[in-house]
Formats: sequence, C-alpha cells, structure tokens
Amino acid sequence: QVHLQESGPGLVKPSETLSLTCDVSGYSISSGYFWGWIRQPPGKGLEWIGTIHYGRSPYYNSSLQSRVTISIDTSKNQLSLRLSSVTAADTAVYYCARIGGHLYGNTWYPEYFEHWGQGTLVIVSS
Amino acid sequence: QTVVTQEPSFSVSPGGTVTLTCGLSSGSVATNHYPSWYQQTPGQPPRLLIYRTNIRSSGVPDRFSGSILGNKAALTITGAQADDESDYYCVLDMGSGISVFGGGTKVTVL
Repeated sequence: QVHLQESGPGLVKPSETLSLTCDVSGYSISSGYFWGWIRQPPGKGLEWIGTIHYGRSPYYNSSLQSRVTISIDTSKNQLSLRLSSVTAADTAVYYCARIGGHLYGNTWYPEYFEHWGQGTLVIVSS
Repeated sequence: QTVVTQEPSFSVSPGGTVTLTCGLSSGSVATNHYPSWYQQTPGQPPRLLIYRTNIRSSGVPDRFSGSILGNKAALTITGAQADDESDYYCVLDMGSGISVFGGGTKVTVL
C-alpha cells in the first residue's frame, strides 16, 4: 500500500522560497505513475500546482509556472516542491499525491489523484 | 483561463438522492475530460471517489455514481447517509497534462 508524507517548514517569510518534500513508501517513484502537488488555502478549495513523471518534464499550473519547480529524487524515493517569492496568498495546506493516468496515442497522461498524503500547513508570514 | 464550475452547496435528506454537477465556463464537459470526483471531510485529505467519468475507486460504496448529464459531469449520491456530509470536488483533464479543480460543493445531510 503506497503511503505519502509531506514535510517541510511550517512558516516561511514573504519573498522567500517554500520548499517541501514528500516521502513515498510502498512504491518506487521510478516504477511509474505520475506524482503531484495540490494546495488548499484555509477554508478554500483545492488548487492543482503541478505533476511530474519520472524521466519526463513536469506540467505546471500556468498561474504558478514562473515560481514553481517540482522534481523527483529517486535515491530517496521522494518528490519535492519549490515555490519562490512567496506571499501571504501562498498560505495553504500542501498535499502530495500519486496520480493515475491514461494512454493517449503512445503517451501516458496524468488523470486522477488516487492516493494523497495527509498534507502540511505552510504559513507565509514575517 | 478555464474555470470549472460546481454548485456551492446542496442539502439532501437522509436516504435521499442528490446530483452534483461539474461544468466548464466555456464549452461542454465530455468523457475525454476524464472527470474525477473527490470527497473531503474537515481536516482530512481528499479521497478519490470516481474517475474516468464513472469508475468507482476501490472501496467506494455503490451509492456513489458518476456520469455525463447534458454538458456537465455529474456525481449522484443515492440513499444519502449522514457520513456523506462532506465537500465534493471534481477535477477535469484539460489536456497536455493540465488538471483543473472545481470550486467544490458542500453537501449537508439533514
């Protein structure tokens, strides 16, 4: 059974870079599936941040693309998120997820968020 | 900018049926948007209920069903129970690896 666990600083100063990691157990990230990040500001809805597959370029939400980097570290079986130049609007619970996909032509594409971590709250404040 | 629309709230009586919808600000939702649905209770991560329009995720009760109704994706809860009181989110695949969440629907069972 796959398990995902987010970790990172719970408090980040404005204009700095938010860095989170997601430890994956029960499945090797390099074996397949897509992996992604989603966030949820307090009391609000969910927002997709981005998705990555081992060996492929990531997909990003266009509204965050200039500030976000998602990567995979296969040696640690870990997913990472970096979000630069944060403001109070980036305060949210951040979730990582394993994402199932579908085949279109000869290429797999991400589709549904099947397993989620418990989430970690990041507050942006001085 | 693509906006995925959901009703803000719905109320259903215990044992009743409710249908939530997931639409697009411009255009129709089709099966090739691969609609998926998630249930979230306070303080918990979302749980996948339905994917690929109408496939129930493992362990999801069959009172949850998905479909395309007209130009929207739909989630129907038949025989609502008290613990179905949750927020429900849909996600649409907009192509090229892009996913968009709807704003969510708060369902009250009373």
